Amino acid sequence: AQRVTQPEKLLSVFKGAPVELKCNYSYSGSPELFWYVQYSRQRLQLLLRHISRESIKGFTADLNKGETSFHLKKPFAQEEDSAMYYCALSNLGQGAQKLVFGQGTRLTINP
Amino acid sequence: NAGVTQTPKFQVLKTGQSMTLQCAQDMNHEYMSWYRQDPGMGLRLIHYSVGAGITDQGEVPNGYNVSRSTTEDFPLRLLSAAPSQTSVYFCASNPTGRSYGYTFGSGTRLTVV
Repeated sequence: AQRVTQPEKLLSVFKGAPVELKCNYSYSGSPELFWYVQYSRQRLQLLLRHISRESIKGFTADLNKGETSFHLKKPFAQEEDSAMYYCALSNLGQGAQKLVFGQGTRLTINP
Repeated sequence: NAGVTQTPKFQVLKTGQSMTLQCAQDMNHEYMSWYRQDPGMGLRLIHYSVGAGITDQGEVPNGYNVSRSTTEDFPLRLLSAAPSQTSVYFCASNPTGRSYGYTFGSGTRLTVV
């Protein structure tokens, strides 16, 4: 079964400090991993896809298949990064691309 | 393009009432899904569709029905509302076979009293 675990429900760091949001997954095949962000009163937005290996808003995430992790990192946090972050896994099996989400981590950046 | 449009944005129902949450997308996406978002539980898949006329159950389908008569629309029906269905509901769509990730609607906040 596919499962995504975000061990931290809440994470609080000071502005300018490094940020790491943890994500671990279990999946029997080749997963596609995503990070979604939800700012206050807004819809979920795609932040990163592991396939693209890009940096968005200073965030990066590397897929570590050995550790089955896809942690989200940013070297210097900004106040506008405060939001809810969801790690998600795409299930390519069974003929459909279903997204399986983690429980989410609420990130608060303190001034 | 409007993207994914959900209506209504807010709704209060009494226990036992029925209603339909509307979802429409104008991107010609084949895949559409309904999720519910609850505190501490993330987003859980209710039902999904891989194209017009094809639907399937997700993780938490009980108490909900869907249909997909057109590519654009994917309504979610609550048959007999219960307080446990109080949640925020998100509709999402995705192009077939692409790893772009889903595009989400703005959500419907439903309260069942």
